[in-house]
Amino acid sequence: DAGVTQSPTHLIKTRGQQVTLRCSPKSGHDTVSWYQQALGQGPQFIFQYYEEEERQRGNFPDRFSGHQFPNYSSELNVNALLLGDSALYLCASSSTLAGTYNEQFFGPGTRLTVL
Amino acid sequence: AQTVTQSQPEMSVQEAETVTLSCTYDTSENNYYLFWYKQPPSRQMILVIRQEAYKQQNATENRFSVNFQKAAKSFSLKISDSQLGDTAMYFCAFMRRTSGTYKYIFGTGTRLKVLA
Repeated sequence: DAGVTQSPTHLIKTRGQQVTLRCSPKSGHDTVSWYQQALGQGPQFIFQYYEEEERQRGNFPDRFSGHQFPNYSSELNVNALLLGDSALYLCASSSTLAGTYNEQFFGPGTRLTVL
Repeated sequence: AQTVTQSQPEMSVQEAETVTLSCTYDTSENNYYLFWYKQPPSRQMILVIRQEAYKQQNATENRFSVNFQKAAKSFSLKISDSQLGDTAMYFCAFMRRTSGTYKYIFGTGTRLKVLA
């Protein structure tokens, strides 16, 4: 089991550009959540996808959007990048099967730097 | 809205000693889960221990145990016999389910350094 995987590992963009980050959940998981972790801070919840729909959203602007595919993998898109978007972006997956408590397994993250 | 507070930005402990990391949270919910996650310098976050709010018994996982005080909304992590591999950022997290979905809220973390 490869666990949660994310790509790319690192990314450098300039202000105003758009970026797409990718996540493959752990085998058997159907729910994907995205977090933004600024340097020295805890992860901040961006949104969660289940059954190809956004189910919950944190306090992030519409510039942040996402998608979930039929194979449960997910993308995070950020438009009109700002310097403040520089952060580690974490993907976490979990299962909605009965009897689980939605334990999240995290990926290694994508380090985004906006210049 | 729920909040999670970790008031110790950094801590250090001698190898083989015991250390306690503090966490407080604020919620009006009665049913929820609390977690401690570890993020080593290689950055992959891993679960250390979890506690269901409806359970009075404190959770333990080998050298890791919690002191869960529901009325005080406190959830501290005790690491016994500290090892060099315990050096990491530790995050306290709160989770509740709503309408079939769930949401995690994390604290700002405590950087723990285990000294040889």
